[in-house]
Amino acid sequence: DAGVTQSPTHLIKTRGQQVTLRCSPKSGHDTVSWYQQALGQGPQFIFQYYEEEERQRGNFPDRFSGHQFPNYSSELNVNALLLGDSALYLCASSLGLSMGNEQFFGPGTRLTVL
Amino acid sequence: KNEVEQSPQNLTAQEGEFITINCSYSVGISALHWLQQHPGGGIVSLFMLSSGKKKHGRLIATINIQEKHSSLHITASHPRDSAVYICAVSINAGKSTFGDGTTLTVKP
Repeated sequence: DAGVTQSPTHLIKTRGQQVTLRCSPKSGHDTVSWYQQALGQGPQFIFQYYEEEERQRGNFPDRFSGHQFPNYSSELNVNALLLGDSALYLCASSLGLSMGNEQFFGPGTRLTVL
Repeated sequence: KNEVEQSPQNLTAQEGEFITINCSYSVGISALHWLQQHPGGGIVSLFMLSSGKKKHGRLIATINIQEKHSSLHITASHPRDSAVYICAVSINAGKSTFGDGTTLTVKP
């Protein structure tokens, strides 16, 4: 049973570019959440997708957008990259929107913006 | 002030020592998670708690809902336990708020 997978593992971009990160949830899961983790800090919630719709959003600008596909996989898109967007981007999947459902995390994508 | 506070921020122990990491939160929660993150970034879920105590191998997690406090204990610590331990709380459906983590180093 594959867990949560993310691609790519590492990515280097320059300021102003756009990036797309991908996440496949754990088998049987239908909800995907994205988090940004800056160096030395805990992850910060970006947004959550369920039934192909954004259900919740954290305090991130509109440059951060996402999508969920019918097979529950998800993409995170960041436009007009800034140096401060350099971070580890984590994807987590869970089953449904019930409170307290356990989240399973992927290995993350390390984004470096130069 | 963060909604989730962990202590200590850094912890160094000798192999075999008993370790405790604390987590306090200031909001009502539906569940609390303890996570382990190794260098390289991948996060592993250790426990999900909504009450009481859970044990898995050398790891024990407890939660006191009234006091809004949880502890993660590691018995007979080993250098392979060296990692960042993160406390996260589920406040509403699917969204978690994380502490900044406790960096544990266990020396042989």
